[in-house]
Amino acid sequence: QSVLTQPPSVSAAPGQKVTISCSGSSPNIGNSYVSWFQQLPGKAPKLLIYENTKRPSGIPDRFSGSKSGTSATLGITGLQTGDEADYYCATWDSSLIAVVFGGGTNLTVL
Amino acid sequence: QLQLQESGPGLVKPSETLSLTCTVSGGSISGSSPYWGWIRQPPGKGLEWIASIHYSASTYQNPSLQSRVTISVDTSRNQFSLKLSSVTAADTAVYYCARPRGIIDAFDMWGQGTMVTVSS
Repeated sequence: QSVLTQPPSVSAAPGQKVTISCSGSSPNIGNSYVSWFQQLPGKAPKLLIYENTKRPSGIPDRFSGSKSGTSATLGITGLQTGDEADYYCATWDSSLIAVVFGGGTNLTVL
Repeated sequence: QLQLQESGPGLVKPSETLSLTCTVSGGSISGSSPYWGWIRQPPGKGLEWIASIHYSASTYQNPSLQSRVTISVDTSRNQFSLKLSSVTAADTAVYYCARPRGIIDAFDMWGQGTMVTVSS
């Protein structure tokens, strides 16, 4: 049972937009920055979004992040088959004194 | 270009201690302020943060693993290490070392990961 709750799976057609939610609580998302990771099959995770909304160099602007209260959202526009992957949110939990990850969301591009 | 590389046995017997080392190249482990981390992923499951360490040896550990985890740093070798004691099959996972972009999370540099199987 993850501290951060994500939908197990989402799907959309190529070219469409999808959003992935990450729900937490006051000690974690409510009081800390959220980051998002993409994990392609058999690969190490890759940082997509940090500090809620910022993209590292090289991450296309098709990927966006937002946060409101105790929830965060990853948005992906112009979906490509290469976006099929698992996506994870993460943040610091000041109550647990720990880094916490969401359970992950598997994206299928139909 | 900063790189991280995990090393250690791929097979550990139940009740024994899992030991892994992360070697940092292309940069100094003590040249910046983040807490270097260990994260694991059991087969077919999600990511789980294990622990993080600063080059000053300050540490944070997952409360659910804290009693079994020891994390250390060797700045002279540019390495940090993980020991997990009393392992069971539930500790079978790919273990990653990583560096955060921020202080402790938002990991932007990852090792390739090393599979550790707990089995007799």
